[in-house]
Amino acid sequence: SQTIHQWPATLVQPVGSPLSLECTVEGTSNPNLYWYRQAAGRGLQLLFYSVGIGQISSEVPQNLSASRPQDRQFILSSKKLLLSDSGFYLCAWIRDGSYEQYFGPGTRLTVT
Amino acid sequence: DQQVKQNSPSLSVQEGRISILNCDYTNSMFDYFLWYKKYPAEGPTFLISISSIKDKNEDGRFTVFLNKSAKHLSLHIVPSQPGDSAVYFCAARITGANSKLTFGKGITLSVRP
Repeated sequence: SQTIHQWPATLVQPVGSPLSLECTVEGTSNPNLYWYRQAAGRGLQLLFYSVGIGQISSEVPQNLSASRPQDRQFILSSKKLLLSDSGFYLCAWIRDGSYEQYFGPGTRLTVT
Repeated sequence: DQQVKQNSPSLSVQEGRISILNCDYTNSMFDYFLWYKKYPAEGPTFLISISSIKDKNEDGRFTVFLNKSAKHLSLHIVPSQPGDSAVYFCAARITGANSKLTFGKGITLSVRP
């Protein structure tokens, strides 16, 4: 069966510090991968998606970047965090040709 | 520009009664719709979906209705149970658009015992 992992589960970082969140998927190959953010009182905003290794598409201009160094690994990064980067970050995957995305457990990021 | 709208931020119902969660969309290109359920500090879990070629899909206590002409869909939960208390997100996609989903802001459902 397929599983998706995210870490860390929670993170508290000062403004201006770097960020690296990792997402890995097991039990499937060549998935589409997605990073979402849920800010306080808001819905799920798509940040990045990837259809293959090294292929990253950005949905909104922001202080973050994403990379996909391996087929089942998706990384969300920032060189310098802003207060507005606080939120709940979710990774999701979908099998090509399928319809439902499946989400990881999420990372709660608090920028202080 | 909010293409998927969940205009009611919260809903409270009595256990055993029906819960009706509404969702509206503006993009007529959407052809597949999904509902997700989310508990605090967890990732959303897929609940039920419907293709634009259908007007109803049922799975146990959950039924989704789609009215394409009104660009409106709704999720019915009957009977509602306290464990259904969560945030429910409506999402929509366009086939072929890299499987991207557009989400609404969510509705917080509270089921009172």
